Amino acid sequence: EVQLVESGGGLVQPGGSLRLSCAASGFTFTSSWMTWVRQAPGKGLEWVANIKQDGNEKYYVDSVKGRFTISRDNAKNSLYLQMNSLRAEDTAVYFCARGNGFNIYWGQGTLVTVSS
Amino acid sequence: DIQMTQSPSSLSASVGDRVTITCRASQGISNYLAWYQQKPGKVPKLLIYAASTLQSGVPSRFSGSGSGTDFTLTISSLQPEDVATYYCQKYNSAPVTFGGGTKVEIK
Repeated sequence: EVQLVESGGGLVQPGGSLRLSCAASGFTFTSSWMTWVRQAPGKGLEWVANIKQDGNEKYYVDSVKGRFTISRDNAKNSLYLQMNSLRAEDTAVYFCARGNGFNIYWGQGTLVTVSS
Repeated sequence: DIQMTQSPSSLSASVGDRVTITCRASQGISNYLAWYQQKPGKVPKLLIYAASTLQSGVPSRFSGSGSGTDFTLTISSLQPEDVATYYCQKYNSAPVTFGGGTKVEIK
């Protein structure tokens, strides 16, 4: 059974940093692109970033370029999102998802709140 | 970047009604279009990919069509359990983009 479990969310002040993690199991992690998608409270879905199997290709939505970094540790079957210079508009539930393109498997999400 | 425009943003229909949601891309995306259903407090669920391919386990009352810039999600006979927000997603190239969503309610 595919499982994706996010962690690392919480309350952070504007300008602060947070690192999200996603623990993957039940599939061959090293064969899968991985993706982060977020959803602000009461709002729609926003794709954030994705990363190729070997970590050598990464793509970001414009609004997070230069502030967020996606990475992975294939030895630990884990995906990460380092978020720096956080803004109020980054407040959202952050989901990790398997795949590059459409996503069948999603984690339950972790809530990030940026507020003073 | 390619923008995805969904319409309507919300709709109310009766059980058994045929419901149609449209999604328009600002540039052609061939058939790299997916549809998701998200119920309140739940994770998005993939319904359709490649514009018209039904994901395994999804009821056959859901169907998708279109290519290029104009796409449609149809629910042939609306059921109470279909109350949700529906999103289109283009995935031909980065950045992946979602439509703004269509909230479907029962009249």
